[in-house]
Amino acid sequence: AQKVTQAQTEISVVEKEDVTLDCVYETRDTTYYLFWYKQPPSGELVFLIRRNSFDEQNEISGRYSWNFQKSTSSFNFTITASQVVDSAVYFCALYTGTASKLTFGTGTRLQVTL
Amino acid sequence: DSGVTQTPKHLITATGQRVTLRCSPRSGDLSVYWYQQSLDQGLQFLIQYYNGEERAKGNILERFSAQQFPDLHSELNLSSLELGDSALYFCASSVGGRGYTFGSGTRLTVV
Repeated sequence: AQKVTQAQTEISVVEKEDVTLDCVYETRDTTYYLFWYKQPPSGELVFLIRRNSFDEQNEISGRYSWNFQKSTSSFNFTITASQVVDSAVYFCALYTGTASKLTFGTGTRLQVTL
Repeated sequence: DSGVTQTPKHLITATGQRVTLRCSPRSGDLSVYWYQQSLDQGLQFLIQYYNGEERAKGNILERFSAQQFPDLHSELNLSSLELGDSALYFCASSVGGRGYTFGSGTRLTVV
């Protein structure tokens, strides 16, 4: 069975702080894909990143960075110098061929205040 | 614009009624997935279609049904609606698991 755990339900930070959102996944498949999505208050799901199981390189995109560690089954997401516009719910998700669907974590609500 | 089109964006209906949600996948994508996001709930997988055939089923109620047509658009039919069916319904399309694109969702309110 596939499972994604986002233990942090809600995080509040002050603008310019760095924040890391945790994601732990479970699967027996050796080939899988991990995703992060952002859901702003407007409700749409915004794709942020996809990573396949064979690529453990960390990735940086502007203020966003991702740390994928197979040894701990984690795919954590860090926002550097957070901004109010980063306020949203962030979902981590896992795709495996066995499940043939995207399994989501319960999401982490990030609140960035001035 | 993600390339996945969902209509309508908002829907308000009464209990006991039936509604149809529509999804047009991104060009070239054969798979369509339906997800339900209830208030304060995560995204729950409902059903997947691939090139017109049902591929996987999740926590979909018997009152709900879906289909994918030859032109690959999909419809999710919700009947005998209850207050608890109020949710955001997302459609996504993909090519395998490598690319998942979500539509902007249909917000259903049952009153």
